[in-house]
Amino acid sequence: GQNIDQPTEMTATEGAIVQINCTYQTSGFNGLFWYQQHAGEAPTFLSYNVLDGLEEKGRFSSFLSRSKGYSYLLLKELQMKDSASYLCAVDSYGQNFVFGPGTRLSVLP
Amino acid sequence: EAGVAQSPRYKIIEKRQSVAFWCNPISGHATLYWYQQILGQGPKLLIQFQNNGVVDDSQLPKDRFSAERLKGVDSTLKIQPAKLEDSAVYLCASSLEGRAYGYTFGSGTRLTVV
Repeated sequence: GQNIDQPTEMTATEGAIVQINCTYQTSGFNGLFWYQQHAGEAPTFLSYNVLDGLEEKGRFSSFLSRSKGYSYLLLKELQMKDSASYLCAVDSYGQNFVFGPGTRLSVLP
Repeated sequence: EAGVAQSPRYKIIEKRQSVAFWCNPISGHATLYWYQQILGQGPKLLIQFQNNGVVDDSQLPKDRFSAERLKGVDSTLKIQPAKLEDSAVYLCASSLEGRAYGYTFGSGTRLTVV
């Protein structure tokens, strides 16, 4: 089976930087997704990491270490609209994506 | 490009009643998924269709849940009879071939069983 862990809640200040961690245990790891989900809305795709390292997309970056079973999502220059849940999802060979429990981020003024 | 359409948006039913949800995926997406998301948790896969065939329904509670995707386009998910613990958001998602594309989710149906 798969085991995915994320912090339940995080709080940060507008303009700051926040790092949301995701640890996982799985066999046949293929890649890892990050999704953003605002309250009452559908999850939307943020990033997909297959190789080790950092991938940057504007204010959002995602990092993966396959050997450590670890990923993080880095959000820079936080804005109020970034208040949402952030879900990591593990993609493994022969299996469907499995989502973590999600991290609820609150951005304060 | 139109997104994944779902209806109804909200539904409140009493326990032991039945309910059905509808999903229309993005045109050309052969793969369709139904997820259950309980408040405060990540989405959990219920069933995956490839065209009109079931690929994975290992986590579908088959004694009360059923789903179909006739003609390989629209899909319906049914619960009969509903239990209190079925209160959740039911998300439909579709995807292109190639896992790197991830999923496109619909807005979901929020079910409350009272």
